Amino acid sequence: DAGITQSPRHKVTETGTPVTLRCHQTENHRYMYWYRQDPGHGLRLIHYSYGVKDTDKGEVSDGYSVSRSKTEDFLLTLESATSSQTSVYFCAISESGSPNEKLFFGSGTQLSVL
Amino acid sequence: AQSVTQLDSQVPVFEEAPVELRCNYSSSVSVYLFWYVQYPNQGLQLLLKYLSGSTLVKGINGFEAEFNKSQTSFHLRKPSVHISDTAEYFCAVSGPIKAAGNKLTFGGGTRVLVKP
Repeated sequence: DAGITQSPRHKVTETGTPVTLRCHQTENHRYMYWYRQDPGHGLRLIHYSYGVKDTDKGEVSDGYSVSRSKTEDFLLTLESATSSQTSVYFCAISESGSPNEKLFFGSGTQLSVL
Repeated sequence: AQSVTQLDSQVPVFEEAPVELRCNYSSSVSVYLFWYVQYPNQGLQLLLKYLSGSTLVKGINGFEAEFNKSQTSFHLRKPSVHISDTAEYFCAVSGPIKAAGNKLTFGGGTRVLVKP
């Protein structure tokens, strides 16, 4: 299994509070991704990173920010959590970012915003 | 823009019976096609992918998929399922082929429940 650790695994928070999710990899892969999984929508890309301090938006980036200060860590921040951000969040990594490459996924973080 | 439609949200099937999961995609450019599987309380794992060449692709655990360009489909099949195949299956596309970053577009998923 690829060395991807997501923390926390579960979190319950209140509307309006900031939340940070962490993804840590030990594979030294260049590309890292944050997806959210919602019933009926599959997984949708929030943000991705193609190197330290290099990030870009995905299709559902509103309300989220990311940071990557080290190759191994990719942080996802909800500045002011809303109930619509209740979801399961998955981090993924890939080595070169080529579109024909497979992604390796973490085990996910279940976030509930009350 | 590209999109993926998985035509069945749930598929119940008896053990040792065949199963087919349907996937259709739309894209104005050439794409790569993938099937991922998610077992309960786990992340996604790659089952198989189509890049080019033979339209019949074989993956892990006895699964195979057939790419049909004219019908823009990439259906997944297994001739005989096991209880352990109970999972959610996602079809996905990536591209355009020369883009940077493997930004997958996923379908909504198909839950397969294998009954004894």
